[in-house]
Amino acid sequence: DSGVTQTPKHLITATGQRVTLRCSPRSGDLSVYWYQQSLDQGLQFLIQYYNGEERAKGNILERFSAQQFPDLHSELNLSSLELGDSALYFCASSVRAGQNEKLFFGSGTQLSVL
Amino acid sequence: QQPVQSPQAVILREGEDAVINCSSSKALYSVHWYRQKHGEAPVFLMILLKGGEQKGHEKISASFNEKKQQSSLYLTASQLSYSGTYFCGTAKFQYGNQFYFGTGTSLTVIP
Repeated sequence: DSGVTQTPKHLITATGQRVTLRCSPRSGDLSVYWYQQSLDQGLQFLIQYYNGEERAKGNILERFSAQQFPDLHSELNLSSLELGDSALYFCASSVRAGQNEKLFFGSGTQLSVL
Repeated sequence: QQPVQSPQAVILREGEDAVINCSSSKALYSVHWYRQKHGEAPVFLMILLKGGEQKGHEKISASFNEKKQQSSLYLTASQLSYSGTYFCGTAKFQYGNQFYFGTGTSLTVIP
């Protein structure tokens, strides 16, 4: 158990809908990362937050947004969902935001868009 | 931006050795290695910092050549438990933002 909690574990929805994925980092970790992993694909970096502020953006679509709250949990909002958004979404956390910080991953949210 | 790994996939028999390579077109400030078993989350293996140091984890070690912008992961005397997909990872910038993972290498160890 990494200590990172993601909910829900599975989400099935229809095209055009909006969903929210939730991530609670390990106790004491200030940085949260979101990644998308499509079938047989690698881990695509979406966005990073540090202590409530957006730190870096990767390949995140405009239909997607995220935030980190004062209690450090983070939410990833996906709207106007398309079939291609079906994927496993991971969040990871680290103590700080430096290059030497190891990332601890949650078990992921499997999103299926039908 | 994404580091490139080779080979894409490898199948080994128990006890055999393997090398997984990770190369980047951009400067590497540090390299991480993670392993993801099927249906599970990636798990941290090790970090390598500048200086070409090698690190070890069980019978898995790695090297980092910052001049060549490459890192290699060495798996010796492989065990069934080593099966999974291995990812190298690196920060885009020196101070850690935008942490990218490589293309991944699927490793299967068979009896």
